[in-house]
Order: sequence, then C-alpha cells, then structure tokens
Amino acid sequence: NAGVTQTPKFQVLKTGQSMTLQCAQDMNHEYMSWYRQDPGMGLRLIHYSVGAGITDQGEVPNGYNVSRSTTEDFPLRLLSAAPSQTSVYFCASSDGQGSREQYFGPGTRLTVT
Amino acid sequence: AQSVTQPDIHITVSEGASLELRCNYSYGATPYLFWYVQSPGQGLQLLLKYFSGDTLVQGIKGFEAEFKRSQSSFNLRKPSVHWSDAAEYFCAVGTPPYSGNTPLVFGKGTRLSVIA
Repeated sequence: NAGVTQTPKFQVLKTGQSMTLQCAQDMNHEYMSWYRQDPGMGLRLIHYSVGAGITDQGEVPNGYNVSRSTTEDFPLRLLSAAPSQTSVYFCASSDGQGSREQYFGPGTRLTVT
Repeated sequence: AQSVTQPDIHITVSEGASLELRCNYSYGATPYLFWYVQSPGQGLQLLLKYFSGDTLVQGIKGFEAEFKRSQSSFNLRKPSVHWSDAAEYFCAVGTPPYSGNTPLVFGKGTRLSVIA
C-alpha cells in the first residue's frame, strides 16, 4: 500500500491564481480530511469527508473547496489564492471500523506571492 | 467545543535525559487521545493512542503516555531521549463517540530539541 499520497510536494502561486492539491489513499478509508499547518498554530481542519459525496467544513474552510467523487480521492481547490493561504497542507484518512488511527500524507508546501 | 493545550512551545533536553511533554484537554467526557510526531519536513506519525482501559499506554520508539482523568491530562514520556527524537510533537483529541470518521482537534505542538 502506498498509504496517503499528496501532489505536488511544493507549489508557488501568484495571488489570484487557482490550483488543486491532490490527495489519494489506497486503504479504502471512508474518512478523509485536509489540514493546514502554520507556525505556532498546530494543525487546523479545513474540510473533511465521511464518504463519497459527503463533505463538511472544518475550522478554517474559507477560500477552499472540496469534493469527494470516489472513496480514494479528496482534492482541495483554491479558487483564488491569497498570501494568507501560504502554508503546509496535510491530507489524512482513517478507518472508522478498525484502528481509527488517522494516517497522514507527506504534505504540500504552498507559497502564494 | 473541546480544546487541546500543549503548554510548552519548545523544550530542549540533553541526549539520555528523560522527557515529559504535557497535554491537557478541555472536554466533559473522556475523549479519545493521541500523540503524533512530525520529523522535519515530514508528515505526522502516530506514536500512541488511548481509547479506554489501562491509563498507561505504550507506543512506538520507546514512548509512553499516561491518562489522568482528574487532571484532564495525557502527558507523553520517554525515559532516555535520543538525538533522533528531535521533532515536533502534537497531542490530539477525538470527541466521543469517536469512530475514526470524525475530526481530531490538535494542540499547537511542542518542538523538541536534543543537545549532546
């Protein structure tokens, strides 16, 4: 199993540009989520999904969109990037029936200039 | 809403010394408790978790944590720190009934430095 994969690893955007951060898992996990990590702030939840077709907002959802068309994929879209979205983004998935551990991807470091 | 407090932003310990990282949570019922470690430039890795039962839990890499209901705490310990333990450590809680399909709330993290 590859676990949770994220692409790209690094990205630089100009203010106003759009992009999609990709996240995929091959563990057949129902639950997937996106966090952003900023210095001194820990991890803050952006959006999460409990299954295909079901998404919900977390603590800091503004400026981000998500959709979940398959169990495996949970992309995060920035429609109009802002410097405040400069951060490291982590995707996670977990198994609601088994260990209930959340598995994290390696992260995407995004810089918005 | 539940919250997680890690009072220490940065801790420096000597290699071979013991370590305790503090975590306090704010929630009426006993939450599901986790400790994660993040090495520089890496994702998060689970060290250990507590759901119920024995309040002293063992994890990977020689870490252990003790749940104390009276203090709303879940402190992480290691008897002898190695240089490779230098990393950032996050405490997280899941609200009962935690099924793995609900969000975790993370503390702000404690950065551990290890000196010779």
